[in-house]
Amino acid sequence: DGGITQSPKYLFRKEGQNVTLSCEQNLNHDAMYWYRQDPGQGLRLIYYSQIVNDFQKGDIAEGYSVSREKKESFPLTVTSAQKNPTAFYLCASSSRTFGANVLTFGAGSRLTVL
Amino acid sequence: GIQVEQSPPDLILQEGANSTLRCNFSDSVNNLQWFHQNPWGQLINLFYIPSGTKQNGRLSATTVATERYSLLYISSSQTTDSGVYFCAVGGGGGATNKLIFGTGTLLAVQP
Repeated sequence: DGGITQSPKYLFRKEGQNVTLSCEQNLNHDAMYWYRQDPGQGLRLIYYSQIVNDFQKGDIAEGYSVSREKKESFPLTVTSAQKNPTAFYLCASSSRTFGANVLTFGAGSRLTVL
Repeated sequence: GIQVEQSPPDLILQEGANSTLRCNFSDSVNNLQWFHQNPWGQLINLFYIPSGTKQNGRLSATTVATERYSLLYISSSQTTDSGVYFCAVGGGGGATNKLIFGTGTLLAVQP
């Protein structure tokens, strides 16, 4: 079955540690995205990538880094520079349906900083 | 940038009732999508609807782009409809692959 796999589902980390969240898709989508969701709020865009070896900052990129070495994979690293990293992180990919990007989401990764 | 407002913020329904959720946006868009987030956090794409009307079973959506709003209709609601409904828009001068999300409508359907 085609879809997006995020891992781990739950992650705990100590302050000052970097952590990497995995996102893999087998939908053959060109574009991939990382969003952050805080309780009671909408999703905010962290980074997105339209093609391999290229990515752009979203609205809240500070303290995060990404890579796009393969079409299927778009890992997100939450660095120690991120001031408030506890959140729900969602990865998405998109196909250009009808000339626009229609998003498909993974199940999310919940990060808690202790 | 584009502002997205959703209303109502919260809604409680009895099973079988109908409801209308609204999404207002501040600029012209060429991409509008509705999503449902279930209680476990999974987001499902319901509609891609930058203009016009679409229906999928008990759900339908209408976007009036010239008046900058979209409506999501849920008929004969079921407990499985519970969750948060998000509207997301893109375009209006920005990159079409950047979607701006509203803060959502939290729907609780009671048996």
